[in-house]
Amino acid sequence: DIQMTQSPSSLSASVGDRVTITCRASQDIINYLNWYQQKPGKAPELLISAASSLQSGVPSRFSGSGSGTDFTLTITDLQPQDFATYYCQQGYSSPQSFGPGTKVDVK
Amino acid sequence: QVQLVQSGAEVKKPGASIRVSCKPSGYIFTNFGISWVRQAPGQGLEWVGWISGYSGNTKYAVNVQGRVTLTTDTSTNTAYMELRNLRSDDSGVYYCTRLRGDAFDIWGQGTLVTVSS
Repeated sequence: DIQMTQSPSSLSASVGDRVTITCRASQDIINYLNWYQQKPGKAPELLISAASSLQSGVPSRFSGSGSGTDFTLTITDLQPQDFATYYCQQGYSSPQSFGPGTKVDVK
Repeated sequence: QVQLVQSGAEVKKPGASIRVSCKPSGYIFTNFGISWVRQAPGQGLEWVGWISGYSGNTKYAVNVQGRVTLTTDTSTNTAYMELRNLRSDDSGVYYCTRLRGDAFDIWGQGTLVTVSS
């Protein structure tokens, strides 16, 4: 099975900051990497698929990059509604697996 | 509007079974598979299994295999997850989610399952 790791596990940031979250896969997953945002008490929401494809309705301050085993989610100009937990997920092979999450909270 | 609506919260004793329903709307049911993902309190996301909306083929996570069964009813366009022999570590929120390609693009609202004696 493919293991996913994320760093950092949590970070504190301020509105307007640029935030970068890293996701690493235990083997080459090409670009089968998706990012989700989850707010407390809510279901996750898909932000980015195929490593860098922004979902419809997702603000352009979110971007994704990477291929192979190393991937990045970047949020530029952090907004109040962006404080949440972010998960990466590999779709290369079953079982699809998630990273442990990165919690972004207020500095 | 594409959405998945799940059944309500459940409280069960260890050893019991649950069945959670998931009713999609706004798209052709047989065009997509449904996956189930669970989240223990304060923890991350764990994939439980997948069922094809077209064929009914299934895949299950190793740690629940033998205790979980995913089914669909194409007459009512509803997906179901049955989990048997419940344990305390099965407690958490269970989500159904539509699988589009390799991404979970639409999620249900979640069903809280509490296993407690």
